Amino acid sequence: EVQLVESGGALVQPGGSLRLSCAAAGFSVANNYMSWVRQAPGKGLEWVSVIYYGGATYYTDSVKGRFIISRDTSKNTVYLQMDNLRAEDTAAYYCVRDLTASYDFDYWGQGTWVTVSS
Amino acid sequence: QSLLTQPPSASGTPGQRVTISCSGSNSNIGSNTVNWYQQVPGTAPKLLIYKDHQRLSGVPDRFSGSKSGTSASLAISGLQSEDEADYYCASWDDSLNGPTFGGGTKLTVL
Repeated sequence: EVQLVESGGALVQPGGSLRLSCAAAGFSVANNYMSWVRQAPGKGLEWVSVIYYGGATYYTDSVKGRFIISRDTSKNTVYLQMDNLRAEDTAAYYCVRDLTASYDFDYWGQGTWVTVSS
Repeated sequence: QSLLTQPPSASGTPGQRVTISCSGSNSNIGSNTVNWYQQVPGTAPKLLIYKDHQRLSGVPDRFSGSKSGTSASLAISGLQSEDEADYYCASWDDSLNGPTFGGGTKLTVL
């Protein structure tokens, strides 16, 4: 059974850092595009970052230079290192698997909350 | 401001057919495929439709997707109370060079 379990969300001050983890089961993160999608409180969905099976990474403009996506294939886990956090980064962060390598996300984790506030 | 425009709300009675629209441009829907997601409040979104009209395995055939030009639609026939949720369209945007979501439509089953 495919499963994605996120962890690492917390309350952090502006300018702080967090690392989110996404443990995958039932498939290999090395063979799939894996993305992070976030949802601010009461708002819609926003794609944040992707790591391709070849290892290439891409980001939405608002997080470039601050967030880094990576993976550890031995642990079958994807990470999102978030630095210099801002209030507008406050959101539920979902780890998602890509169905056809076309940004169609067929499996979602339960989400982990990141709150940036002083 | 979303690049994909959805009506903020829609409603219908049980058994009815409802349609949710998603309007974009040549840089997204007009040249790329559309996906549809359902999100029951408090839970993670679920993929319903991908590549414009492909139903994900396990999704009831009451749900269907279509696309014409720079607009797409999600139709739900035989509306049921459990269909009450937020619905999001999504597509790749060539100008953004990334995927973009619509603002979401809250469907109420009266």
